[in-house]
Amino acid sequence: SQELEQSPQSLIVQEGKNLTINCTSSKTLYGLYWYKQKYGEGLIFLMMLQKGGEEKSHEKITAKLDEKKQQSSLHITASQPSHAGIYLCGADKIGGGSNYKLTFGKGTLLTVNP
Amino acid sequence: AAGVIQSPRHLIKEKRETATLKCYPIPRHDTVYWYQQGPGQDPQFLISFYEKMQSDKGSIPDRFSAQQFSDYHSELNMSSLELGDSALYFCASSLRLAAKDNEQFFGPGTRLTVL
Repeated sequence: SQELEQSPQSLIVQEGKNLTINCTSSKTLYGLYWYKQKYGEGLIFLMMLQKGGEEKSHEKITAKLDEKKQQSSLHITASQPSHAGIYLCGADKIGGGSNYKLTFGKGTLLTVNP
Repeated sequence: AAGVIQSPRHLIKEKRETATLKCYPIPRHDTVYWYQQGPGQDPQFLISFYEKMQSDKGSIPDRFSAQQFSDYHSELNMSSLELGDSALYFCASSLRLAAKDNEQFFGPGTRLTVL
């Protein structure tokens, strides 16, 4: 079973619209990472969240980790075509432990129509 | 700023051949990770090295081996290639010791096609 569930799997929005992508786990997340990937290319680090209730923003992208540290959301405000790509959430030390490897969700494919 | 370098970027091999993928981490990073991303799949962790010692092991087939050298670059060796090995192989590096978090910087990937 997938340790990280992402939703939706794909999303098509009109330029200028806001959108939210969710990442959920049944276990406590000690490090939650958001990456963006253009098709067939490398992963670009967006943000990392560690504390329950933490929220970080960069330009028009805001990521939050809930108080229970089992769900994170990525919110894009006033989307632009440059936001298009695959958004992946990744986590280490899922449920505790000392693993540094990242486990990823299946990704959300975002299309922004001009 | 220097990023993670992977070579080659593209590789085409026949079944049962061998392949070697190389990764050069960001200077002064002490940890290297290898991930495999199949078509339409999320990246799957293969193996990692911390200070040249194997650190974690994931779903890496026995036909694959990897090592990290004294200059911290890493190589992923793949033998008896199968069609299912066709994927994008990512290397990532991080600075584990000094960092409070585990931010991994990914390379551009090597696209391996097995015919």
